[in-house]
Amino acid sequence: GAVVSQHPSRVICKSGTSVKIECRSLDFQATTMFWYRQFPKKSLMLMATSNEGSKATYEQGVEKDKFLINHASLTLSTLTVTSAHPEDSSFYICSARGGGGASSYEQYFGPGTRLTVT
Amino acid sequence: SQQGEEDPQALSIQEGENATMNCSYKTSINNLQWYRQNSGRGLVHLILIRSNEREKHSGRLRVTLDTSKKSSSLLITASRAADTASYFCATVKGGSEKLVFGKGTKLTVNP
Repeated sequence: GAVVSQHPSRVICKSGTSVKIECRSLDFQATTMFWYRQFPKKSLMLMATSNEGSKATYEQGVEKDKFLINHASLTLSTLTVTSAHPEDSSFYICSARGGGGASSYEQYFGPGTRLTVT
Repeated sequence: SQQGEEDPQALSIQEGENATMNCSYKTSINNLQWYRQNSGRGLVHLILIRSNEREKHSGRLRVTLDTSKKSSSLLITASRAADTASYFCATVKGGSEKLVFGKGTKLTVNP
């Protein structure tokens, strides 16, 4: 159980265009979803936390107008990279957490999306 | 900010040997978790240890936590080539739901 999917797994886009990445919890309801960014050979950096039905909370230094997050349902969150630039090229990973219970601290991660902006 | 710091940054061992990775952190925590990441893939949760626990086992994994030293270790016994991956520790502060990841240890198990 506790499977999280991401779509697409890889995307190449041109500079100036927008890209949407979907994160879905397949077999549980995710009250909270997290979006991370990972540079090559580096660790994960939390970008934002989103709770279903409310606005996302962004980490310091993350532009909310550039990285639009929507958590419209308990199983879907989307990250839209607007007006993408080559420096936005990265590996984006989402995770999902169910509500309450002994394992409430556990986050289930998606397989990641490799974004390349040309 | 990245709180956890793993060492070594890279570790190369032979199949059958044990692998030990360490993680240090700076502030008080509610729990510490270890994750595994295969190259270019998402993270897989391995084990969670709470701040009031000192040691935990799961299969070939053994995790220790020393809150006085703000450090944790992950031991993988009888390693296999399939254990080759990057391993990250992540901490959760009290009252927070956020995971703060360390820089990771890249483990290579040679057959």
